[in-house]
Amino acid sequence: DIQMTQSPSFLSASVGDRVTINCKASQNINKYLNWYQQKLGEAPKRLIYNTNNLQTGIPSRFSGSGSGTDYTLTISSLQPEDFATYFCLQHNSFPYTFGAGTKLELK
Amino acid sequence: EVQLVESGGGLVQPGSSLKLSCVASGFTFSNYGMNWIRQAPKKGLEWIALIYYDSSNKYYADSVKGRFTISRDNSKNTLYLEMNSLRSEDTAMYYCANGGHWGQGVMVTVSS
Repeated sequence: DIQMTQSPSFLSASVGDRVTINCKASQNINKYLNWYQQKLGEAPKRLIYNTNNLQTGIPSRFSGSGSGTDYTLTISSLQPEDFATYFCLQHNSFPYTFGAGTKLELK
Repeated sequence: EVQLVESGGGLVQPGSSLKLSCVASGFTFSNYGMNWIRQAPKKGLEWIALIYYDSSNKYYADSVKGRFTISRDNSKNTLYLEMNSLRSEDTAMYYCANGGHWGQGVMVTVSS
């Protein structure tokens, strides 16, 4: 199985900050990497698919990059509604696997 | 508008069975592979099963293989998850998803 190591687990930041969240796969996942946002009590929402494709309706301050085993989600200027938990998902091979999550908190 | 609505959850005893349903609308259900994903209380996400658009292939996480069965009825725009031999560690919110869209989830609690 492919292991997804997500970092950091917790991140404190302020409105307007630029933040990055990383996921490292235990093997090449060929850019089959999605990013999800989950707010308390809600279902996850897909932000980015296949490394760098923005889901319809998601603000352009969210972007993704990476290749091979290393992937990054960047939020260019944090807004109050962005404080949530973020997960990566590899869908290159079965079983699909998620990162453990990054909780983004207001500093 | 895409909607995925899960149902069928509840409180069950260890060793028992339960069948979840997910009714889809707002997109051509028969064109999409579908997934079940779960989240134990205060834990991360776990992908558990996928079925191709035409049911030709099914894949499972090792944690549920041999106990859970994913199926679909394209004439009813409905995805199913049949869960047998339930264990306490199966306690979770269960979501159906087509990748870009997720349902609101249904809670399954396995406890004596």
